[in-house]
Amino acid sequence: EAGVTQSPTHLIKTRGQQVTLRCSPISGHTSVYWYQQALGLGLQFLLWYDEGEERNRGNFPPRFSGRQFPNYSSELNVNALELEDSALYLCASSTGVISGNTIYFGEGSWLTVV
Amino acid sequence: GNSVTQMEGPVTLSEEAFLTINCTYTATGYPSLFWYVQYPGEGLQLLLKATKADDKGSNKGFEATYRKETTSFHLEKGSVQVSDSAVYFCALAAYSGAGSYQLTFGKGTKLSVIP
Repeated sequence: EAGVTQSPTHLIKTRGQQVTLRCSPISGHTSVYWYQQALGLGLQFLLWYDEGEERNRGNFPPRFSGRQFPNYSSELNVNALELEDSALYLCASSTGVISGNTIYFGEGSWLTVV
Repeated sequence: GNSVTQMEGPVTLSEEAFLTINCTYTATGYPSLFWYVQYPGEGLQLLLKATKADDKGSNKGFEATYRKETTSFHLEKGSVQVSDSAVYFCALAAYSGAGSYQLTFGKGTKLSVIP
C-alpha cells in the first residue's frame, strides 16, 4: 500500500514568488494535515482538511492557504514567499477525526527561498 | 490549550546505553499519545502510540507508558544502537478548545549514538 506522497521533494524559489505543494494521502484516508518544520523551530501546525473542508488552521498568515480535492488529495499554496518560509513542509493523513487514529506522514517537500 | 513538553537535546549516548527521553503533556479531555521519529533527511515515522491511561506502546525495542496521573509519556530503550540516531518527537492528539481535532508536537529531541 502506498504511503503519503508529496511533490516536489525539493524546490528553490525567489522571494516574492508563489509556490504550490501537493500531497496524496493514503488510500482510504479522508483527513490531510500540513505542517511546517523550519530549522530549529520544531513542527508547526498549518492546516487540517477533512472531507474537502478546512477544519482547523494554525497561526500562519493568510498567504498560506490550501484546499482538498474530491479524491482527498491536497495542495498547499504559499504566496509572496519570504526568506523565513524556507522549511520542510510535511503532509500527513489519517482515516478521520477520532482521537487515536494514527497520522501518517509523507517524506516532505524541502522549500528554499532565496 | 494542548501542549507537549519534551526534554531538550541534543542527547549523546554510547552504543548499548540506556535511553530515556522525557515527555509531559497538557490537554483537555483524554488525548492519545505518540512518539514519532525522524531520521536524517526524512519525514516523520510513527514509532509507537498509546490511546488510554496505563497503555504501553512498544516498537523496535522502544517503550513508553501513558501515565495519566503524572501526564507523562516518557520514551525508553534499554540498549541503543548507532542506527537509533534521529530526532524524536512526542505528540498528542486531542480535541482543541475550538472543538476541532489537532495533533500537537513537542519540539523534538535529537539523539546521537556513538560507537
